[in-house]
Amino acid sequence: SAVISQKPSRDICQRGTSLTIQCQVDSQVTMMFWYRQQPGQSLTLIATANQGSEATYESGFVIDKFPISRPNLTFSTLTVSNMSPEDSSIYLCSANGNSYEQYFGPGTRLTVT
Amino acid sequence: GQQLNQSPQSMFIQEGEDVSMNCTSSSIFNTWLWYKQDPGEGPVLLIALYKAGELTSNGRLTAQFGITRKDSFLNISASIPSDVGIYFCAGQLKGSARQLTFGSGTQLTVLP
Repeated sequence: SAVISQKPSRDICQRGTSLTIQCQVDSQVTMMFWYRQQPGQSLTLIATANQGSEATYESGFVIDKFPISRPNLTFSTLTVSNMSPEDSSIYLCSANGNSYEQYFGPGTRLTVT
Repeated sequence: GQQLNQSPQSMFIQEGEDVSMNCTSSSIFNTWLWYKQDPGEGPVLLIALYKAGELTSNGRLTAQFGITRKDSFLNISASIPSDVGIYFCAGQLKGSARQLTFGSGTQLTVLP
């Protein structure tokens, strides 16, 4: 299994600002992903964070709004840009090792006022 | 996008009872995963299933990968108070690069 940490654990931000969320894995992993979980809802995949190349975004998510970096095999960041109250959600990082099992971080709880 | 139909949406059971929940889809999945999420936490992986027909247990939890590869169920036997939480199924679609599609979740409440 992989142990995943995220920073910050929560934040309250003003509309129009940006927040960068960090995700650290305790071992090298092949795949890293970012999900959004709106209050009381299930998880929705935002993008696959590709090491050494641009992230692959799911329908409805764009790079200008959610820029992602993945500089190495253990670390990734997600930025939520030009935030609005609709961006208030839990943002979750996950990772696969060499298996198909996917492990999640504790999440970042974002409130936009 | 692809959808997983998870049911029931919520369950209220007495401590000691067994519970069952399932996920179905019109699409074929290569892998089924079951997660539990506690309030304020990220999802925790309970069971992973890789082959059609596979039946796997993890303590009091048992899950099966449907023969058609379009469904899966999770059973919890002899429920205890710490089983309370939201259970999600998740599948990796045939042809996907390990991205997960999640079900809508089952909120489980265990009454003493």
